[in-house]
Amino acid sequence: EIVLTQSPDTLSLSPGERVTLSCRASQSVGSYLAWYQQKPGQAPRLLIYDASNRAIGIPARFGGSGSGTDFTLTISSLEPEDFAVYYCQQRRNWPITFGPGTKLEIK
Amino acid sequence: EVQLVESGGGLVQPGGSLRLSCVASGFTFSAYEMDWVRQAPGKGLEWVSYIGSRTTNTRYYADSVKGRFTISRDNARNSLYLQMDSLRPDDTAVYYCAREEWWGVPGGFDFWGQGTLVTVSS
Repeated sequence: EIVLTQSPDTLSLSPGERVTLSCRASQSVGSYLAWYQQKPGQAPRLLIYDASNRAIGIPARFGGSGSGTDFTLTISSLEPEDFAVYYCQQRRNWPITFGPGTKLEIK
Repeated sequence: EVQLVESGGGLVQPGGSLRLSCVASGFTFSAYEMDWVRQAPGKGLEWVSYIGSRTTNTRYYADSVKGRFTISRDNARNSLYLQMDSLRPDDTAVYYCAREEWWGVPGGFDFWGQGTLVTVSS
């Protein structure tokens, strides 16, 4: 099983700041990595697929990069609605796995 | 508009069974691979099961549910199912159905239902 590790666990920032979230895989997943945003009481929302492709309707301030075992999700300038939990997910091998999440909170 | 609507959750005793349903609309259901993902209260996301599209009926399960859960689909009814048997307290979670998109590469779970809560407790 591919284990995904996300860092940090929690990040406290202010609107307007730039943020980079990290996801590391225990073995290569190539580019088969996706990022999701989840707000309390809501289903997850797909942000990024194939490591760097924005999903339909996702604002340009969200960007993904990386390949192999190290990936990042960058939000160029935080908006108030961006404070949420972010998960990475690999689709390279079975079972599909998710990272434990990074909580982005308002400072 | 793509919609996924889950139902069938509820309170069940340990060892009991439940059948979750997910009705899809707004897209050609049979053409898409589908999954179940769950989230225990206050915890992260856990993938549960996968079923292939009309071209393949391949199924996969997380080790935690293998032998107890069965995924199926009825393309004529645009419906996805999860039969859950021998339920345990650690199966307590919100269960989401999710659509998998492919763009020549895995496109992620691009649409999710609202979730249905399963509580396993005596």
